[in-house]
Amino acid sequence: QTVVTQEPSLTVSPGGTVTLTCASSTGAVTSGYYPNWFQQKPGQAPRALIHGTSNKHSWTPARFSGSLLGGKAALTLSGVQPEDEADYYCLLYYGGAQGVFGGGTKLTVL
Amino acid sequence: QVQLQESGPGLVKPSETLSLTCTVSGDSISNYYWSWIRQPAGKGLEWIGRMHASGSAKYNPSLESRVAMSVDTSKNQFSLRLDSVSATDTAVYYCARSSSHDYWGQGTLVTVSS
Repeated sequence: QTVVTQEPSLTVSPGGTVTLTCASSTGAVTSGYYPNWFQQKPGQAPRALIHGTSNKHSWTPARFSGSLLGGKAALTLSGVQPEDEADYYCLLYYGGAQGVFGGGTKLTVL
Repeated sequence: QVQLQESGPGLVKPSETLSLTCTVSGDSISNYYWSWIRQPAGKGLEWIGRMHASGSAKYNPSLESRVAMSVDTSKNQFSLRLDSVSATDTAVYYCARSSSHDYWGQGTLVTVSS
């Protein structure tokens, strides 16, 4: 069974920079896994931030960026704002069709 | 503005079938992939599966024996069926446009209980 692993929790100071990662049990994550990133706040549906490794949606704030880093997919927040406190999930596609979510990262802005 | 709305029973008895529909407005269902995702209370997201309007579908291997998706292009809807449900299927169920996962429904809570 394929497992996608994220940091369970991270803490960042306002104005700081933080990188969340997304690793695959099958090995290095590449662009072929079409990494997606989502933000979810309590009581809300997930909101898409990044698709296809690094492509932003029209509503994605400029401080969010996606990349591949050290064999993992990565989401970097630069100049973190208090409203960025949320759960973040990555989604990888295997064989171009089989999706697997990571367990999520709870980001605290403190 | 693309909008998705899930609908279906909020309560399903154990061993019965869960059926949900996602109605899409603002764009044709024919041109994209569409997914179902669920989230048990206090837990993470689980990918259930996705399908294209053409009918091709891919499911989560852990659910594959119990799940089926379908599309009704005339109604601009797609549907989820999950058989033989148990308490572990209790979750908020989301539908989403999954070509780039840009649009999601608000989610609907389905509770499995007698």
